[in-house]
Amino acid sequence: DAKTTQPTSMDCAEGRAANLPCNHSTISGNEYVYWYRQIHSQGPQYIIHGLKNNETNEMASLIITEDRKSSTLILPHATLRDTAVYYCIALSGYSTLTFGKGTMLLVSP
Amino acid sequence: NAGVTQTPKFRVLKTGQSMTLLCAQDMNHEYMYWYRQDPGMGLRLIHYSVGEGTTAKGEVPDGYNVSRLKKQNFLLGLESAAPSQTSVYFCASSYGQGLRLSYEQYFGPGTRLTVT
Repeated sequence: DAKTTQPTSMDCAEGRAANLPCNHSTISGNEYVYWYRQIHSQGPQYIIHGLKNNETNEMASLIITEDRKSSTLILPHATLRDTAVYYCIALSGYSTLTFGKGTMLLVSP
Repeated sequence: NAGVTQTPKFRVLKTGQSMTLLCAQDMNHEYMYWYRQDPGMGLRLIHYSVGEGTTAKGEVPDGYNVSRLKKQNFLLGLESAAPSQTSVYFCASSYGQGLRLSYEQYFGPGTRLTVT
């Protein structure tokens, strides 16, 4: 699986958009980009995934660059409940789900 | 719709004791998974199941056994607990994708196990 690189931490004001970047410059053609988050003391939560095209669901939007070497998860109107560690993972379907260090997003009032 | 539930939420065991962790899901998912999460080690897959009556080993299966007698339940057993099994255990479930693991997984709240 391709290695992903994320900032250690980010801050966001409540109500503003949170844009979380992820670098996956060695991603291969059959690897999807997945995003999960984990709120303190809770189980991980699936957010969204994509291959080439941008994706949107009720939780977030995923923007993948044309060369697929990086992506951005967008939470359009961050709330205090979005404070969590966000994990970006590149997976092809032949390995197990595992998390790196992720980005600690702190949403402040 | 409760999603994925786990019991118990917390447990303290002495070395050598046994216990069973129960996972239940009400989403009619074919696949179910057991993970452990440790500081600095991230999430690691212990065992998984692609359907009722089937189980398979993950990355760290030693010291654990599992059973999937009903589609909605997945049990994780520790026959003789060791301090190295102190961890947070998460169960997850997903729809199936043939023989490939699905990564759109739905997790339970976790069981915090301490082995002394």
